[in-house]
Amino acid sequence: DQQVKQNSPSLSVQEGRISILNCDYTNSMFDYFLWYKKYPAEGPTFLISISSIKDKNEDGRFTVFLNKSAKHLSLHIVPSQPGDSAVYFCAASLNTGGFKTIFGAGTRLFVKA
Amino acid sequence: EAQVTQNPRYLITVTGKKLTVTCSQNMNHEYMSWYRQDPGLGLRQIYYSMNVEVTDKGDVPEGYKVSRKEKRNFPLILESPSPNQTSLYFCASWEGAKGYTFGSGTRLTVV
Repeated sequence: DQQVKQNSPSLSVQEGRISILNCDYTNSMFDYFLWYKKYPAEGPTFLISISSIKDKNEDGRFTVFLNKSAKHLSLHIVPSQPGDSAVYFCAASLNTGGFKTIFGAGTRLFVKA
Repeated sequence: EAQVTQNPRYLITVTGKKLTVTCSQNMNHEYMSWYRQDPGLGLRQIYYSMNVEVTDKGDVPEGYKVSRKEKRNFPLILESPSPNQTSLYFCASWEGAKGYTFGSGTRLTVV
């Protein structure tokens, strides 16, 4: 049973437009959520996070939105750039201590120039 | 530079031949994990460690062992590897609000 789901295996977006990556979770005990970016032949790198007490967190071109009632979070990238092409993993944790961090299957983003 | 170093990067081995993948972090973090990445399944946690001599199973621990004798090192041990353990493995160290710092990965093939 996948507790964190990324239902879109891939997404293609034109450069300069908005990219929206979605993630759903089932465990209401999760209280910290993270997005990671992964390039080929590299480990995932931290992108942005959000605590369950917030509904939005913004860092430059990246914004994460959390809808707790729907158990849904999304990552918005505006504007999208070709260098954003990568696999994006959504992750949910039981607390900021990371004792139980579950990752989604990932969404591959293609940004076309 | 803060980093997680795992070795080797690539490994091809035969079924049943014991192997160890090393992992070391230079950030003095207490919490470390091992994950495996498989197509369509994302990253699944194998084992984690909350501190020296404190380890526990993740979601897919079968066929793996770990040890945490010192804070910086967290090796992953496959006592008798099988082909279904062919995967991409990541060691990670927890930074708190920024989540995990991951190593570069070890691509293991068991034939």
